Amino acid sequence: QQQVKQSPQSLIVQKGGISIINCAYENTAFDYFPWYQQFPGKGPALLIAIRPDVSEKKEGRFTISFNKSAKQFSLHIMDSQPGDSATYFCAASISNSGYALNFGKGTSLLVTP
Amino acid sequence: DAGVIQSPRHEVTEMGQEVTLRCKPISGHNSLFWYRQTMMRGLELLIYFNNNVPIDDSGMPEDRFSAKMPNASFSTLKIQPSEPRDSAVYFCASSAQGGRQYFGPGTRLTVT
Repeated sequence: QQQVKQSPQSLIVQKGGISIINCAYENTAFDYFPWYQQFPGKGPALLIAIRPDVSEKKEGRFTISFNKSAKQFSLHIMDSQPGDSATYFCAASISNSGYALNFGKGTSLLVTP
Repeated sequence: DAGVIQSPRHEVTEMGQEVTLRCKPISGHNSLFWYRQTMMRGLELLIYFNNNVPIDDSGMPEDRFSAKMPNASFSTLKIQPSEPRDSAVYFCASSAQGGRQYFGPGTRLTVT
């Protein structure tokens, strides 16, 4: 069964807007939460990651918000650009289990000019 | 650094044939992962190795799938016999200690 639930499945945002993708998990043993970006024909690439000891992490235009009590985390893309159009995957893993990734189903983001 | 290398990039085979996918991880990385990506199921972990030893193969769909890592610089994923439902993109990823996984470009497998 899907251990990480991701929404929405697809998202259309205008250039300059904010893209928000949400994920939820059940397993409280998860202690590492990365987001991966995938372009067509390419492998996923790490975008940003967070551990549950912080509630927010920001890298450039990308921010992860983490709510441990709600078991939810989200990716915010500020000032979205057409080059951000890609599929985004949230994931969760357990450091003691080798960081094997449990992925959400993905969100296809289209940023229109 | 060349990154994770996978071969072949595309494979088309007939049902019942044996398929072998290959992966060369990034030098110095001690963990290697095999994932499968389909539209229906998304990205699924098949198996992962730590220091060349299989740690968790619970994601391997059935006995037709097998994976080996004979040394730190090479791994194979074999499907025998292949079936049309095995059609997917298969990714190999590697990591050093600490969680960040680097993915290869994938092998697109089509079984007719």
